Amino acid sequence: GQQLNQSPQSMFIQEGEDVSMNCTSSSIFNTWLWYKQEPGEGPVLLIALYKAGELTSNGRLTAQFGITRKDSFLNISASIPSDVGIYFCAGFNAGNNRKLIWGLGTSLAVNP
Amino acid sequence: KAGVTQTPRYLIKTRGQQVTLSCSPISGHRSVSWYQQTPGQGLQFLFEYFSETQRNKGNFPGRFSGRQFSNSRSEMNVSTLELGDSALYLCASSLALGKEGYTFGSGTRLTVV
Repeated sequence: GQQLNQSPQSMFIQEGEDVSMNCTSSSIFNTWLWYKQEPGEGPVLLIALYKAGELTSNGRLTAQFGITRKDSFLNISASIPSDVGIYFCAGFNAGNNRKLIWGLGTSLAVNP
Repeated sequence: KAGVTQTPRYLIKTRGQQVTLSCSPISGHRSVSWYQQTPGQGLQFLFEYFSETQRNKGNFPGRFSGRQFSNSRSEMNVSTLELGDSALYLCASSLALGKEGYTFGSGTRLTVV
């Protein structure tokens, strides 16, 4: 089935650094969602984006809905150890609004 | 407000057996989706139910089936288990189909030996 291209696949950073990850698609999306999954738990919704160009923050996290509607970005500022986990992007594309498409995730490790 | 509850949390089964997993959605949520998660494969969509009807289906063999009850609780069943079915099975609920964000349960870790 269709999947989103999410990069990077993994990141290992120092505490205090900023983090950027992105998600791209070959087709137009009308909703982008960013989730975080910690070990042994299900993904938790961080940010939802519904309009092209939309920029939304949730604490130290900021996500943007790309203006082409084919990409989205997630930034984490001043990372801390509890940011460790797998970050997934997901979205509904304009052609099939009812089936959520997922990226393979970005695994983030933070060195204290 | 209670979250999405999945039972059991862990399960060990033998090849050839069948298994039933349960999901209780957030109160008021009528859509329930099921995913299979394995390392390196991300979240693979199994199916989604809304108002007791399967609305979407992923690319899994017929051994994987599900249903939803009138109280929105859902079950998924896997028959004739194979070693490759070992995975974390996640259930997610949402108010309706479409644009809403989904709330996930903690999953059921199935190991097939």
